[in-house]
Amino acid sequence: QKEVEQNSGPLSVPEGAIASLNCTYSDRGSQSFFWYRQYSGKSPELIMFIYSNGDKEDGRFTAQLNKASQYVSLLIRDSQPSDSATYLCAVTDTGNTPLVFGKGTRLSVIA
Amino acid sequence: GAVVSQHPSRVICKSGTSVKIECRSLDFQATTMFWYRQFPKKSLMLMATSNEGSKATYEQGVEKDKFLINHASLTLSTLTVTSAHPEDSSFYICSATNYRDISNTIYFGEGSWLTVV
Repeated sequence: QKEVEQNSGPLSVPEGAIASLNCTYSDRGSQSFFWYRQYSGKSPELIMFIYSNGDKEDGRFTAQLNKASQYVSLLIRDSQPSDSATYLCAVTDTGNTPLVFGKGTRLSVIA
Repeated sequence: GAVVSQHPSRVICKSGTSVKIECRSLDFQATTMFWYRQFPKKSLMLMATSNEGSKATYEQGVEKDKFLINHASLTLSTLTVTSAHPEDSSFYICSATNYRDISNTIYFGEGSWLTVV
């Protein structure tokens, strides 16, 4: 069974700090890796995707992928209170198969 | 990014009635759409995978006769909750993938809150 594991949190960081969110996955055949942010009562919104080993940066966000270790992470620099949300890690092998989600990590950025 | 629209965003219905939720990909064609359900403070749960022009594939434990899914075109999938009961009250979210996007990115609709009274 394909699984994606995340710490549920809450992860609390002070405003301006770096938040580090981690995720491991079980299926070595996974090809695409996503980070979504979900505010309470809202639908998930895509933050980043990555499918090659290494780092991918987009503004304050950096996704890191290590396929050998089956590990994905998301770094949020200069964390803001508005970043407080649940962050969902998701993986898939193709676009026609469902995403396998982790249970999400709740991030709290304290002003 | 691609846009996926859901309608209605909120609906209240009486127990025993049916409710239809629409999911549209606005600026791309989606051969595959996914339907999720999320109870408050719980994880997203995949209900079914909807393929254009064919029958949906339901996850274990999801009643296909209760949750009717139709994916008649490349831009529209519908979920009909039949004979709704209060325990069906939940947040229903669809997602879709652009088959031309090699990143396999899956985009979510805004979600639909269903309250059955």
